[in-house]
Amino acid sequence: DTEVTQTPKHLVMGMTNKKSLKCEQHMGHRAMYWYKQKAKKPPELMFVYSYEKLSINESVPSRFSPECPNSSLLNLHLHALQPEDSALYLCASSQDMGQGVGYTFGSGTRLTVV
Amino acid sequence: DAKTTQPPSMDCAEGRAANLPCNHSTISGNEYVYWYRQIHSQGPQYIIHGLKNNETNEMASLIITEDRKSSTLILPHATLRDTAVYYCIVRLGGYSTLTFGKGTMLLVSP
Repeated sequence: DTEVTQTPKHLVMGMTNKKSLKCEQHMGHRAMYWYKQKAKKPPELMFVYSYEKLSINESVPSRFSPECPNSSLLNLHLHALQPEDSALYLCASSQDMGQGVGYTFGSGTRLTVV
Repeated sequence: DAKTTQPPSMDCAEGRAANLPCNHSTISGNEYVYWYRQIHSQGPQYIIHGLKNNETNEMASLIITEDRKSSTLILPHATLRDTAVYYCIVRLGGYSTLTFGKGTMLLVSP
């Protein structure tokens, strides 16, 4: 299995809702990442987990809460989002945080906040 | 990480070679050059990376100048499916993350 699987593919949520995005990989990768991508912009790093521990938080608002229950799973919990948080949320993984063949990305979850 | 400069857009005829340039004049000795691409509505896809030497794989070739201040990604026979945004990324050696710039939108036409 050489894929990163993200669910759901599309999500519409209200500003008072709580929802979660899920990311899964079975490549034995020990680093996992969340990126946010607004329309016509490049992806921006949000969080990095290395060996199931939060390694980097790029000053992301607390309404986004990441979780890494085990080495194969990465969640992003969403609460009280704003319409400007509507974006494509991308998950990626890599063998570790060192130099290597790079990251494997999922296809993303397209989030719309209404 | 060193900054990169890429043209915002390029066109290429199907079947011809696509040569995508990238300037990284402030690159340091331990910084690698990575290329990724993103097809519309999909996640970025790794293409190739290198440090000093030219590299080739089944997708593309990477040519890095001797002074390492610029590089070129070559898609030898572009197809319509190669239409995408191509990102050139300079990444510090050791433990670092991937930071995307604006990239080049490559349009391959029949």
